[in-house]
Amino acid sequence: KQEVTQIPAALSVPEGENLVLNCSFTDSAIYNLQWFRQDPGKGLTSLLLIQSSQREQTSGRLNASLDKSSGRSTLYIAASQPGDSATYLCARMDSSYKLIFGSGTRLLVRP
Amino acid sequence: EAGVAQSPRYKIIEKRQSVAFWCNPISGHATLYWYQQILGQGPKLLIQFQNNGVVDDSQLPKDRFSAERLKGVDSTLKIQPAKLEDSAVYLCASSFGLAGEPFYEQYFGPGTRLTVT
Repeated sequence: KQEVTQIPAALSVPEGENLVLNCSFTDSAIYNLQWFRQDPGKGLTSLLLIQSSQREQTSGRLNASLDKSSGRSTLYIAASQPGDSATYLCARMDSSYKLIFGSGTRLLVRP
Repeated sequence: EAGVAQSPRYKIIEKRQSVAFWCNPISGHATLYWYQQILGQGPKLLIQFQNNGVVDDSQLPKDRFSAERLKGVDSTLKIQPAKLEDSAVYLCASSFGLAGEPFYEQYFGPGTRLTVT
């Protein structure tokens, strides 16, 4: 069974802290790994896409890494801000080109 | 660039009633997806279209759910009859790439929140 697990389910940090969100998956045969952000009542916004041949991607204060051998991806957020508060979802694209999502990490950045 | 449009944004119906959702993808995007997101879970793919053909509908409950993509552009998702467990957010997404081109991102609409009472 193809599963994507995200830990922790919820996280509360003070503003300015650096933080890491974790994503693990059971099948190392992936085509890409994507991190999304979801605000309440909104759709998903793609943050970073890592192709299977890559090890990491960076955008501003965000850095995502991919380790296929261990079945793990991490999303690093530097100098967190209250505006970063949202649910963060990771998803792996499987061999049939479907995105399999984790349940997400709910992040609250306290001012 | 306009994003993925969905309507309605909210819908409340009684069980056994019918409901339809509409999606307009980003112009030029070949692939369109419908996802179901139950509260507290990640989205689950229901059906994937490439142009106006179905690529994958293996997780679509075909006894009550149907979807079509006319002329390879807009799409509708219908539920008939609805059950309580269909309460969820229904997300539409589109991608420039074709199935088999995984380096293209999926862009999501705002979703339709369905409540079945």
